[in-house]
Amino acid sequence: DIQMTQSPTSLSASVGDTVTITCRASQSIANYLIWYQQKSGKAPTLLIYAASILQSGVPPRFSGRGFETNFTLTISNLQPEDFATYFCQQSFNPFLYTFGQGTKLEI
Amino acid sequence: QVQLVESGGGVVQPGRSLRVSCAASGFSFSDYGMHWVRQAPGKGLEWVSVIWHDGSQRYYGESVKGRATISRDNSKNTLSLEVNNLRLEDTAVYYCARENYNQGYAVVDLWGQGTLVTVSP
Repeated sequence: DIQMTQSPTSLSASVGDTVTITCRASQSIANYLIWYQQKSGKAPTLLIYAASILQSGVPPRFSGRGFETNFTLTISNLQPEDFATYFCQQSFNPFLYTFGQGTKLEI
Repeated sequence: QVQLVESGGGVVQPGRSLRVSCAASGFSFSDYGMHWVRQAPGKGLEWVSVIWHDGSQRYYGESVKGRATISRDNSKNTLSLEVNNLRLEDTAVYYCARENYNQGYAVVDLWGQGTLVTVSP
């Protein structure tokens, strides 16, 4: 199985800050990397796919990059609505998706 | 309205079985692969299972392999997951989710609100 490791597991920041979350795959997944945002008590929502392509409607302050095993999600100019938990997910193996353990972004 | 609505959660004893369902509306259900993803209280997301749009292929995560069956009824726009021999660690919110393709990349772009399954003696 492909293991996904996120860091940090939690992160404190303030409105207006820029933060970066890292996701590492246990083997190369090319750019088959997805980022989701989950707010408390809600289902996840799709932010970024193919490592760097923003889903329609996602603000451009979100950006993703990376290839093979190392990926990042950067949120610039943090807004109050961005405080949530973020998960990465590999879609390289379509028969066994795996998620990172999540990064909780707190004020 | 494009949506997924899960049902069937509840409290069940270890060793018993439970079936959760998902009703799809607002889109052509039979065109999409569908997933189940679960989340234990306070924990991360765990992929559980996927079924092809026509039901021809099904795959399961290791934690439920051999105990779970995913199925769909395209005439009724419904997705189901039955888990047998339930364990305490199966306690979670179970989400159904739609797989779509953006620029050739598979994404899960639509999620239900989830249904809570609690396994308790």
